[in-house]
Amino acid sequence: SQKIEQNSEALNIQEGKTATLTCNYTNYSPAYLQWYRQDPGRGPVFLLLIRENEKEKRKERLKVTFDTTLKQSLFHITASQPADSATYLCALDIKAAGNKLTFGGGTRVLVKP
Amino acid sequence: DGGITQSPKYLFRKEGQNVTLSCEQNLNHDAMYWYRQDPGQGLRLIYYSQIVNDFQKGDIAEGYSVSREKKESFPLTVTSAQKNPTAFYLCASDRGNSNQPQHFGDGTRLSIL
Repeated sequence: SQKIEQNSEALNIQEGKTATLTCNYTNYSPAYLQWYRQDPGRGPVFLLLIRENEKEKRKERLKVTFDTTLKQSLFHITASQPADSATYLCALDIKAAGNKLTFGGGTRVLVKP
Repeated sequence: DGGITQSPKYLFRKEGQNVTLSCEQNLNHDAMYWYRQDPGQGLRLIYYSQIVNDFQKGDIAEGYSVSREKKESFPLTVTSAQKNPTAFYLCASDRGNSNQPQHFGDGTRLSIL
């Protein structure tokens, strides 16, 4: 089965700096990878999707890269703000299983003013 | 506004009791999902349904049951057979095709009395 590893330690970062989160996976390469944001006591909110044939995807201050050779995705928040403080989850598709996703454990980000 | 509504927000279960968590969506999505989230862990799939009157077990279905009688509704019953039900339960939906983001409700937190 697919396993996903995200850094379980919280990432503390100064406002204005770039936060970089890592998502590593084992076994087969997914057709696509998604990133979600989750605030305490709330459901995850979709941020970005990147396909296996895409190297990079951007949305405003967010950037995602996808390296199928390293089996890794990096998630960047540039010019971070205190409002970016949340837990960020990566999720991968499960091959030949519709749109079923496997989620990582998430990385908590704390942006200090 | 379209979205997913989960109720109740908090639920308490007595020993030997079955409880049902509600999930309703007005996004006209075909697929619906139930996840369990434990502290510091990723989402684990309990059950999913890709079409009305059909559903499949996820990775941790034991002790749970679901029904999908209407496209909009996908209730989850936590039975007395689930010995460790304390968790945060999340419902999600999507269009059922690959590469689609999942839309989540704001969860139900279940505790044991």
